[in-house]
This record gives sequence, structure tokens and C-alpha cells, in this order.
Amino acid sequence: DIVMTQTPLSSPVTLGQPASISCRSSQSLVHSDGNTYLSWLQQRPGQPPRLLIYKISNRFSGVPDRFSGSGAGTDFTLKISRVEAEDVGVYYCMQATQGFTFGPGTKVDIK
Amino acid sequence: QVQLVQSGAEVKKPGASVKVSCKASGYTFTSYYMHWVRQAPGQGLEWMGIINPSGGSTSYAQKFQGRVTMTRDTSTSTVYMELSSLRSEDTAVYYCARVTIFRGMDVWGQGTTVTVSS
Repeated sequence: DIVMTQTPLSSPVTLGQPASISCRSSQSLVHSDGNTYLSWLQQRPGQPPRLLIYKISNRFSGVPDRFSGSGAGTDFTLKISRVEAEDVGVYYCMQATQGFTFGPGTKVDIK
Repeated sequence: QVQLVQSGAEVKKPGASVKVSCKASGYTFTSYYMHWVRQAPGQGLEWMGIINPSGGSTSYAQKFQGRVTMTRDTSTSTVYMELSSLRSEDTAVYYCARVTIFRGMDVWGQGTTVTVSS
């Protein structure tokens, strides 16, 4: 099974400053069809998760452009260019290349 | 609009079973697979399995094999997740989530809290 890890697990950030979350998979997420099925989800307190990014770097409909995804193979990054108060929550990476596996989550809060 | 509406909270005793429903609306039900994901209190997301509403085929996480059954009713655009032999560790919020062609979970239900307690 593919294991997903995230760093850091907690990230206190200053409003208006950037934030970055790293996600690593135990094996390559490149599918035989050439796609890499790595997505990012945000879960605000008390709410269901929400899709932010799919296939590494594609922003989902309605997601602000301050969110961006990058990476390849086994290493991926989610960046928030300028953190806003509404960005507080837990961020999960998820692979769907071989089965489905979530990372442990990274809690983003305001300093 | 596209939405998934789940059934209400449940309280069960250890050893019992629970069946959670997820009613889809706003899109063609049989065109999108559906995941079930759970989240224990204060914990992360855990994938349980997936169902194809069109043919009813399923795939379950190994951890839940033999205890979980996912079904669907195309006449009501509803998917179901039944978990048996409940234990306290199954206390969690259970979510259904639609799968897109790019394998992202783009629409989520509101969650159903299942509490297992004697």
C-alpha cells in the first residue's frame, strides 16, 4: 500500500504571509495512463473536506488563486501565497493512483 | 445544485450494525463513483471503499473487508454504507464523496456521526 506523509504536521502562520506544506508518497504516483493522481483537500473546523487541487497542480472550481500545487513522482507541495483567516484548517494530500490514501493532515492556524 | 445529503446521527451498541445513506441530487447519479471516508474524533481521514452506482461494483479497504457493505439504489439516487460488528473504535463521522474523472473528491456529504457505546 502507498503511504503518504506530510510535513509539517502543524504550521502556525502570520496573516498575509506564505505557507507551504510538503507531501511525500512511499512510491511514485505516476499512473500507467501518464497521470499523477495527487490531490489536496482543505477541512475547515466543523466542516466536511473540500477539494482544492487535483492532479498535482489543477485548482478546482472556485478555489482562490493564492493556492497552488506542484511536484512530481513522490514529492509534492501545496503553497498558500498569502494566508487569510479563512484558510485556517487541516490540509490533506490524497493519492488515487493505486487505491486511495490520505496523508495525516497538516493543521494551519494563525500565530 | 449538486449535493449529497446523508442520513442522521446514529448511536449503536458494540456488536451491532449501522447503515448510513447518502442521497445524490443535481447530477446523473450513475455517472460518478462514490467513496466512503470516515474520520474518528480529532483524527484524520480514512478511506473505506468505493462503489460504482452504475453497476454496483465495489472495492473496499482491506481494513474493512468482511465488515463493510456498500450498495446503491438507482431509483432513489442513494448509496448506502453498512458497517457490522461495531466496536468503540468505529465511533466517527462518516462521509460520502463523489469521484470525478480526475479521481478527485469534488462533492462531499455533510457527514453522519456514528457513536458506538454500551
